Amino acid sequence: SQTIHQWPATLVQPVGSPLSLECTVEGTSNPNLYWYRQAAGRGLQLLFYSVGIGQISSEVPQNLSASRPQDRQFILSSKKLLLSDSGFYLCASGQGTYEQYFGPGTRLTVT
Amino acid sequence: KQEVTQIPAALSVPEGENLVLNCSFTDSAIYNLQWFRQDPGKGLTSLLLIQSSQREQTSGRLNASLDKSSGRSTLYIAASQPGDSATYLCAVTVRWGKFQFGAGTQVVVTP
Repeated sequence: SQTIHQWPATLVQPVGSPLSLECTVEGTSNPNLYWYRQAAGRGLQLLFYSVGIGQISSEVPQNLSASRPQDRQFILSSKKLLLSDSGFYLCASGQGTYEQYFGPGTRLTVT
Repeated sequence: KQEVTQIPAALSVPEGENLVLNCSFTDSAIYNLQWFRQDPGKGLTSLLLIQSSQREQTSGRLNASLDKSSGRSTLYIAASQPGDSATYLCAVTVRWGKFQFGAGTQVVVTP
């Protein structure tokens, strides 16, 4: 099975500062990669997904961007954080219509 | 647009009782359905994946059923234990590589 690594585990950043969250995947090749955000007591909101290197699709307009510089590396970024960017960010990996695997998540607090 | 609903939002049962968790979806055109467990502040752990052609999947004390025509899935956890306390989420694969999640059911098993 796959293993998803995310870092950092927690992050506290001031409004207006930049952001970079990293996700790496082991145990597979050519995966679909996903960034989700989870607000307290709510379901997962898909932010970005990627089917290959350099191929990024955005699901919602927002202050964030994503990049996939390598097959098993997915990065979530922002140039200037907003208070509303606070949340729990999850990276996931999957193959087509099959099982999804999730990383441990990053708790982001924007102050 | 596919909508996934999980009712109830929260559930508390005494240890030893069987747990019954419900998931409903509005569009029966799904590839599969996946059940996850999420502990507080952690990522999602896959429990069971049911393909659209299957009616149920079993793993240990867990059994998940799928009725595509009625848009429902049920997760049964037999003889619940305090360690089963967590939030349980279901997700349907709506098309290749795309998943729609429910908001989850928070379960507390009291000793």
